[in-house]
Amino acid sequence: GNSVTQMEGPVTLSEEAFLTINCTYTATGYPSLFWYVQYPGEGLQLLLKATKADDKGSNKGFEATYRKETTSFHLEKGSVQVSDSAVYFCASYSGGSNYKLTFGKGTLLTVNP
Amino acid sequence: DADVTQTPRNRITKTGKRIMLECSQTKGHDRMYWYRQDPGLGLRLIYYSFDVKDINKGEISDGYSVSRQAQAKFSLSLESAIPNQTALYFCATSDPGLAGGHTDTQYFGPGTRLTVL
Repeated sequence: GNSVTQMEGPVTLSEEAFLTINCTYTATGYPSLFWYVQYPGEGLQLLLKATKADDKGSNKGFEATYRKETTSFHLEKGSVQVSDSAVYFCASYSGGSNYKLTFGKGTLLTVNP
Repeated sequence: DADVTQTPRNRITKTGKRIMLECSQTKGHDRMYWYRQDPGLGLRLIYYSFDVKDINKGEISDGYSVSRQAQAKFSLSLESAIPNQTALYFCATSDPGLAGGHTDTQYFGPGTRLTVL
């Protein structure tokens, strides 16, 4: 079945540092890939997505590129802010008759001023 | 007002009690989902419904049941709660749109924190 493996946290950075959170997937076919973010005390919300190889999703300064050759969808941001502190989830969806959006275990990011 | 609401937001109960968690949405989406979140395990799908007459088990449905009362309402029940059902529960909705579901974005409620003593 499908699976998503993402970098274990917690990750602690200083403001304006560069962020990378690694995510790799296994799936049959070509899944759609997502990054969701969960701010403290809230539900998850979509951060960005990509639906085919070489697509780049971007939002709020975050980017991730769908790399079929390495089955990866790493999340990056050039300069993090304190307000980016949250839990980040990578997810994949392959469609088909048995619906399942597969989530990684989440990575807690803390950004210090 | 929030598009996806969950009630209650917090609940403490005892082993063996029946519990119902409710979810309502104003997004007009046909698809609704229930997940549980446990530390270090991410989110796991309990049940999902693609329309009022369609209910499907997710990966961890044992010990849970659901009811889709209307397009806007999807309830999760724990028939006889046990301590290992202590978790954060999320409801979500989505609209497959023209893509047929392959890229649909899910919209999450704020969650219900359930503690079973």
